[in-house]
Amino acid sequence: NAGVTQTPKFQVLKTGQSMTLQCAQDMNHNSMYWYRQDPGMGLRLIYYSASEGTTDKGEVPNGYNVSRLNKREFSLRLESAAPSQTSVYFCASSEAGGPGTDTQYFGPGTRLTVL
Amino acid sequence: QKEVEQDPGPLSVPEGAIVSLNCTYSNSAFQYFMWYRQYSRKGPELLMYTYSSGNKEDGRFTAQVDKSSKYISLFIRDSQPSDSATYLCAMVTDSWGKLQFGAGTQVVVTP
Repeated sequence: NAGVTQTPKFQVLKTGQSMTLQCAQDMNHNSMYWYRQDPGMGLRLIYYSASEGTTDKGEVPNGYNVSRLNKREFSLRLESAAPSQTSVYFCASSEAGGPGTDTQYFGPGTRLTVL
Repeated sequence: QKEVEQDPGPLSVPEGAIVSLNCTYSNSAFQYFMWYRQYSRKGPELLMYTYSSGNKEDGRFTAQVDKSSKYISLFIRDSQPSDSATYLCAMVTDSWGKLQFGAGTQVVVTP
């Protein structure tokens, strides 16, 4: 039981390049989330998927797109990377309902640098 | 102004001391309050979860919520070097709301 896995662990991009961050969970959870973590800012929600087939914007969605590929996988795409997107990205999942009442389980993170 | 304020620290304490952490918030609609622990280069993990005002205890950890003052606290008794981590508070208005995180406080427990 791996929990929440993320690939890659590290990535360096040049401005304007694109990439997709992958996330998978093996806990049969319904909801999945993408956050970014920056120094002094805490975790900020980018997008979430309350259930398979649905996605919604979070607090900081600009410059990102997401795909809920199936119940297990939720990917985050940067179409044209900018230095402001340098951050640590975390994927999380939870069993049911919304983000408020059930535990979110986090992956190990992807450290992204945009030059 | 951020909805959730948390002192980033670092907070350095000797082993065995009580660690006191807190967050203030401005949105009176927040109802659910959480504390997450994050070790260096790892993802956060849920430590404590409380609803409404009052205290909740779990082993060496105690979470307090004072809604009238819009203030939440986490206390760690008999602190251990293994408690060295960043502690993030989080809160949400209702079960379908989005979590709002504090910036996190780095705690260092020295042997």
